[in-house]
Amino acid sequence: AQKVTQAQTEISVVEKEDVTLDCVYETRDTTYYLFWYKQPPSGELVFLIRRNSFDEQNEISGRYSWNFQKSTSSFNFTITASQVVDSAVYFCALEGLVFGKGTKLTVNP
Amino acid sequence: DTEVTQTPKHLVMGMTNKKSLKCEQHMGHRAMYWYKQKAKKPPELMFVYSYEKLSINESVPSRFSPECPNSSLLNLHLHALQPEDSALYLCASSQGQVSEKLFFGSGTQLSVL
Repeated sequence: AQKVTQAQTEISVVEKEDVTLDCVYETRDTTYYLFWYKQPPSGELVFLIRRNSFDEQNEISGRYSWNFQKSTSSFNFTITASQVVDSAVYFCALEGLVFGKGTKLTVNP
Repeated sequence: DTEVTQTPKHLVMGMTNKKSLKCEQHMGHRAMYWYKQKAKKPPELMFVYSYEKLSINESVPSRFSPECPNSSLLNLHLHALQPEDSALYLCASSQGQVSEKLFFGSGTQLSVL
């Protein structure tokens, strides 16, 4: 069975702090894809990143970075120097099939 | 055009009504999805159409009936819904596979009275 666990339900930080959102997944597939999506208060989910199971290189995109570790089945997401606009619910997903429960991030000014 | 358009944005219906949700994309995507999202919960996959054929049905009750008239359109027909079916219904599309990134619409907020 496929499963995605986001243990952090809510995180609150002050602007400019760094924050890491955790994601642990379970799958029996040898080839799979992991995703992060952002859902701001407006409601529309927005794609952030896609990573395949054969590529364990960390990725950085501006203030966002992702750490994929196959050995621990984790795909963590770090926001550096957080901003108020980063406030949203962030979902980790295994392909388009299974979403984690989400982590609500609140960045306070 | 990188949008997925859903109509209506809000819908209130009684348990005996029949209504339909509509989703449209013009990105040439060949996979389209319906998700149900309850408040403060993650999206739950309901149906996947791939190349206009139903490829995944996540054991959804028959009161929800999907339809894919062509590769750009996806409908969800609703009949005899229950109050617990009230939720945000999200449509998404991807190029062709569930392993590709999803483009989401803004959803239809459905209330069943």
